[in-house]
Amino acid sequence: DIQMTQSPSSLSASVGDRVTIACRASQGIRKYLGWFQQKPGKAPKSLIYAASSLQSGVSSKFSGSGSGTDFTLTISSLQPEDSATYYCLQYNSYPWTFGQGTKVEIK
Amino acid sequence: QVQLQESGPGLVKPSQTLSLTCTVSGGSISSAAYYWTWIRQHPGKGLEWIGYISYSGSTYYNPSLKSQVTISVDTSKNQFSLKLSSLTAADTAVYYCARSTLCGRDCYHPLDFWGQGTLVTVSS
Repeated sequence: DIQMTQSPSSLSASVGDRVTIACRASQGIRKYLGWFQQKPGKAPKSLIYAASSLQSGVSSKFSGSGSGTDFTLTISSLQPEDSATYYCLQYNSYPWTFGQGTKVEIK
Repeated sequence: QVQLQESGPGLVKPSQTLSLTCTVSGGSISSAAYYWTWIRQHPGKGLEWIGYISYSGSTYYNPSLKSQVTISVDTSKNQFSLKLSSLTAADTAVYYCARSTLCGRDCYHPLDFWGQGTLVTVSS
């Protein structure tokens, strides 16, 4: 199985800050990387697919980059509603695997 | 807008088989463009991909669960289902159904729509 490692595991930032979350794959996954946002008690929501493509209806403050083994999710200007846990997902090969999550809190 | 809704028992006894159903509304399950997936999340933990089924019935299961899992589709009811056998406390989790969309050659929207999730507790 491909291991997905996110960093950091948690972060605390101020409103308006630019926030970056990293995701590393244990082997190359080309561009087949998605990002999801999960708020407490809710289902995850798709933000990004194919490493950098914004899911329909998702705010352009979210952006993704990377290919191969190293990827990032950036929130350009953090807002209170962005407080959530963020997961990366590799779908290059089965079984699909998620990162362990990054919890984003507002200072 | 497509919607997915999980249904099934909230409490199951150890060694029994869990049966969950995902009802799809606002769209047809019978499209070659869609793949229908089950994912679970242990309490306070991360996400685990269980497996998928296509409209035609082709499946792929996570090898870590393969001996326990069966996913099936009922196109007449616009539903797909999960059966998980030989349950233990380690299977206590929130179970989600989700859709993935094939949008063209080499284009895939993974898990673009999710159900709200259903908590299943395995306990005697």
